[in-house]
Amino acid sequence: GAGVSQSPSNKVTEKGKDVELRCDPISGHTALYWYRQSLGQGLEFLIYFQGNSAPDKSGLPSDRFSAERTGGSVSTLTIQRTQQEDSAVYLCASSFNTYNEQFFGPGTRLTVL
Amino acid sequence: AQSVTQPDIHITVSEGASLELRCNYSYGATPYLFWYVQSPGQGLQLLLKYFSGDTLVQGIKGFEAEFKRSQSSFNLRKPSVHWSDAAEYFCAVGLRSSNTGKLIFGQGTTLQVKP
Repeated sequence: GAGVSQSPSNKVTEKGKDVELRCDPISGHTALYWYRQSLGQGLEFLIYFQGNSAPDKSGLPSDRFSAERTGGSVSTLTIQRTQQEDSAVYLCASSFNTYNEQFFGPGTRLTVL
Repeated sequence: AQSVTQPDIHITVSEGASLELRCNYSYGATPYLFWYVQSPGQGLQLLLKYFSGDTLVQGIKGFEAEFKRSQSSFNLRKPSVHWSDAAEYFCAVGLRSSNTGKLIFGQGTTLQVKP
């Protein structure tokens, strides 16, 4: 079956603009995660969804970052007023349930000029 | 705070040689453990996992890992490395006591394979 997909694969934006990143998890997976991968910080957890709820948002770096999930499926990560330090690869993962192995998408590379 | 340490940032081995990548974690209880591999420009692919039971786990591509509770380690091994194994390897820990399945990752080990 299809794996986790993310779009766009690359996004270049200007400082101060808003961006939306999309994640389509594996069908039937109730848990969804966003991570960020950058050179200086490695792989960092951002937010966890179980269904449409987000019980753990502890990794969101600032209030410029938000995410939602609808229909227990697609998720969107929104970054408002982007800054250069937001440049990174944003990875989405899904799992059948919490505590199961996570399957990762190919990522969205965000570059803020 | 929970943490994962991969002591070796970069490792070079000859093709056909054996490989061991180290991973140590800091956590008050037994976590569940993963190794992922990432090729350039790609997402993360799961190599193997440990949840409970037999402490020696087998994964894909001929990899295995051993969980040693006394050493808080989960080292990855392969008896004979192939050129296609060149990639970045990440150890990750999941926390059973949390209400989240988030993973904490090590900083990664880049494997270079010499012909």
